Amino acid sequence: DADVTQTPRNRITKTGKRIMLECSQTKGHDRMYWYRQDPGLGLRLIYYSFDVKDINKGEISDGYSVSRQAQAKFSLSLESAIPNQTALYFCATSDPTGITDTQYFGPGTRLTVL
Amino acid sequence: DQQVKQNSPSLSVQEGRISILNCDYTNSMFDYFLWYKKYPAEGPTFLISISSIKDKNEDGRFTVFLNKSAKHLSLHIVPSQPGDSAVYFCAASGLGNEKLTFGTGTRLTIIP
Repeated sequence: DADVTQTPRNRITKTGKRIMLECSQTKGHDRMYWYRQDPGLGLRLIYYSFDVKDINKGEISDGYSVSRQAQAKFSLSLESAIPNQTALYFCATSDPTGITDTQYFGPGTRLTVL
Repeated sequence: DQQVKQNSPSLSVQEGRISILNCDYTNSMFDYFLWYKKYPAEGPTFLISISSIKDKNEDGRFTVFLNKSAKHLSLHIVPSQPGDSAVYFCAASGLGNEKLTFGTGTRLTIIP
């Protein structure tokens, strides 16, 4: 079974709709992250959470919000989707007690906003 | 401002030869560097890393070299195999900071 899962894997929505992307992990890690990948731009950090009570903005948080429902769950919401939010979205986790900064990624959600 | 740069969007290498992927960074506070590999329809997976106190780290066919004075790192894959065809991302983090800054990626194609 995958350690980091994302639902849905693919989603097509219309401009102005609210959409939620969900991430669950069984790795027992406290730290979770949301990234988006765009062609030619690599992976950019949207939001991150170092524990259930901690939420921080990344470099491109405008237009997004997050919720950390439990240690294992971290959701990303687009309150009113717009076409330039069409991208591949990845959730990741990391272990603060580890000796490295290695992050473990989910399989991604491909979001298309029409 | 792109703090981690991968200037080659793509690279093709013959099977069995050496693949060299390059990465440059501008932030002198970065002290830990990682390479991730990504196949289509999958998330990135950790490949190899190096701390700024080292200049080389080796793991099987994969070796990462770090040149701090030039703010440059490279990933060497030898010998290259067809399964190495993927997009490779370079990433960096600062001391005590688990936020990673990623490069834009290099698509490696291994030619049989």
